[in-house]
Amino acid sequence: GAGVSQSPSNKVTEKGKDVELRCDPISGHTALYWYRQSLGQGLEFLIYFQGNSAPDKSGLPSDRFSAERTGGSVSTLTIQRTQQEDSAVYLCASSLGLAGGVGETQYFGPGTRLLVL
Amino acid sequence: AQTVTQSQPEMSVQEAETVTLSCTYDTSESNYYLFWYKQPPSRQMILVIRQEAYKQQNATENRFSVNFQKAAKSFSLKISDSQLGDTAMYFCAFIRNQGGKLIFGQGTELSVKP
Repeated sequence: GAGVSQSPSNKVTEKGKDVELRCDPISGHTALYWYRQSLGQGLEFLIYFQGNSAPDKSGLPSDRFSAERTGGSVSTLTIQRTQQEDSAVYLCASSLGLAGGVGETQYFGPGTRLLVL
Repeated sequence: AQTVTQSQPEMSVQEAETVTLSCTYDTSESNYYLFWYKQPPSRQMILVIRQEAYKQQNATENRFSVNFQKAAKSFSLKISDSQLGDTAMYFCAFIRNQGGKLIFGQGTELSVKP
């Protein structure tokens, strides 16, 4: 079956603009995760959804970052008033979630590379 | 708080040889899961192998095996018969028994040379 998909693959934006990144999880996966990968910070957790609710949003770096998930499927990560330090690869992952039990494997999408000029 | 440490930023190995990547972690929990992920230049993060902490037996997946030492909080990855396609960044990761976020190490960049 299809894996996790993300769009766009690459995004170049100007400082101060808003951007939206999209993640489409594996069908049937109820848990969805966003991570950020940057040269200086490595892989950082941003937010985790179980269904449409976010039990852990502790990794969002500022209030310029928000995410939503509707219908228990597609998720959108929005960054408002982008800054140059937001430049990174944004990775999305999904897992079976509560249906799969604890500690289940997370499967990753190809990521969106964001460059803020 | 849990932490994961990979002390080898870069490694190289000759094709067909064996290489071991190191990972240590810190947690106060007794039940958890450990993973090795591979990220080639395409940047797609691919699961290599997974280990449940409650299992004493080391996980194996074809040419990939782990040496899991729970008391020492060590989780190394051994790649046998290295292939050019194994060239990638390798990340060690930890997740609590309750699930949620993965905690990653800094990564080890592995180059397999012909």
